[in-house]
Amino acid sequence: AQSVTQPDIHITVSEGASLELRCNYSYGATPYLFWYVQSPGQGLQLLLKYFSGDTLVQGIKGFEAEFKRSQSSFNLRKPSVHWSDAAEYFCAVGDLSDTGGFKTIFGAGTRLFVKA
Amino acid sequence: DGGITQSPKYLFRKEGQNVTLSCEQNLNHDAMYWYRQDPGQGLRLIYYSQIVNDFQKGDIAEGYSVSREKKESFPLTVTSAQKNPTAFYLCASSIVAGGAEAFFGQGTRLTVV
Repeated sequence: AQSVTQPDIHITVSEGASLELRCNYSYGATPYLFWYVQSPGQGLQLLLKYFSGDTLVQGIKGFEAEFKRSQSSFNLRKPSVHWSDAAEYFCAVGDLSDTGGFKTIFGAGTRLFVKA
Repeated sequence: DGGITQSPKYLFRKEGQNVTLSCEQNLNHDAMYWYRQDPGQGLRLIYYSQIVNDFQKGDIAEGYSVSREKKESFPLTVTSAQKNPTAFYLCASSIVAGGAEAFFGQGTRLTVV
């Protein structure tokens, strides 16, 4: 079965510092990969996605992620974190279901704390 | 504005009662999904539907039921058979395509006492 692992339950960074959130996936073929962000008590918003092509993808709010097939990773990065980036971040992989439909499998999430 | 509306935002029920969570979308999406979110466990798929009048079980369907009578609506019923129903429930929709972005509602927090 496909799976997504986010090794870090929570991370604390100082405002202005760089950020990297880790994500590893298990998938047989080239996966569809996503990063979503969730503010407390809210739904999820897509930050960026990767299907194919350039392995470095740019997203909203200054985020980027790099797909590394050899490491089965899709880490999220931001060069300078703002206090408003404090939230929970989910890595996800798209998967074809047994019935031919499409579903998204999410990691457990990484909560980001930003200190002044 | 197009989007997904979940209601209510907060819901309290007594143990043993069935409860139905509403999810409506005006994005003209064919696919709709229900996820359950518990702290430290990410989002787990309960049910999903790719087309009207058809739906499939996700990873944790036991104790839940759904219907898809209209394209815009995908209500979730939490039955008394669900052993631990207190959670945050998220509804999402997307087009039916590989790698499609999922659009999420604001969630319903269900508390069973």
